[in-house]
Amino acid sequence: QKEVEQDPGPLSVPEGAIVSLNCTYSNSAFQYFMWYRQYSRKGPELLMYTYSSGNKEDGRFTAQVDKSSKYISLFIRDSQPSDSATYLCAIGEQAGTALIFGKGTTLSVSS
Amino acid sequence: EPEVTQTPSHQVTQMGQEVILRCVPISNHLYFYWYRQILGQKVEFLVSFYNNEISEKSEIFDDQFSVERPDGSNFTLKIRSTKLEDSAMYFCASSVSMGQDYGYTFGSGTRLTVV
Repeated sequence: QKEVEQDPGPLSVPEGAIVSLNCTYSNSAFQYFMWYRQYSRKGPELLMYTYSSGNKEDGRFTAQVDKSSKYISLFIRDSQPSDSATYLCAIGEQAGTALIFGKGTTLSVSS
Repeated sequence: EPEVTQTPSHQVTQMGQEVILRCVPISNHLYFYWYRQILGQKVEFLVSFYNNEISEKSEIFDDQFSVERPDGSNFTLKIRSTKLEDSAMYFCASSVSMGQDYGYTFGSGTRLTVV
């Protein structure tokens, strides 16, 4: 079964908060883990990409992959109102193949 | 920042008509994809294309759909006879093969409305 579960939220936080977004998946064959940000009626924008497992940091964003638990996370530090968007996790099995998307979590950061 | 470019941004068509959605992938990318997103639902994979042929397709990608790379830069999705349920955002994406810079990049999408 190739499913990805993501809590759709909505999630509302004050400016400056640390945000934690999560997805779980069922198929241990997945190796490619992405986080995308999507604004209304726009295309997904790639934020973070991790191959296999471990952590990756880029500015205020940290992506974590725990393959033993089949669990991936995106942390946003010092959240800003401009971070308000829908965040999508997407997972792939092999290079050049389909990504399976979560439903997306809608985040609202208030100033 | 390299971009995936899609045209048109919005297309309205009558049921039963053929539509062609166009994409210009990132120039050094090797894999090309089409996805769709019905309003309020998940992004769903349609098809992937590599080395001038379909490498993978989903159950959604039936005989009504086809893809083509007519020249060195464009990648198209054709829907032969549109149905009301084809109304959705259609996203083109492209990627390199693998490695640290997978770069799986999406375009801004074409909003298809079938009336």
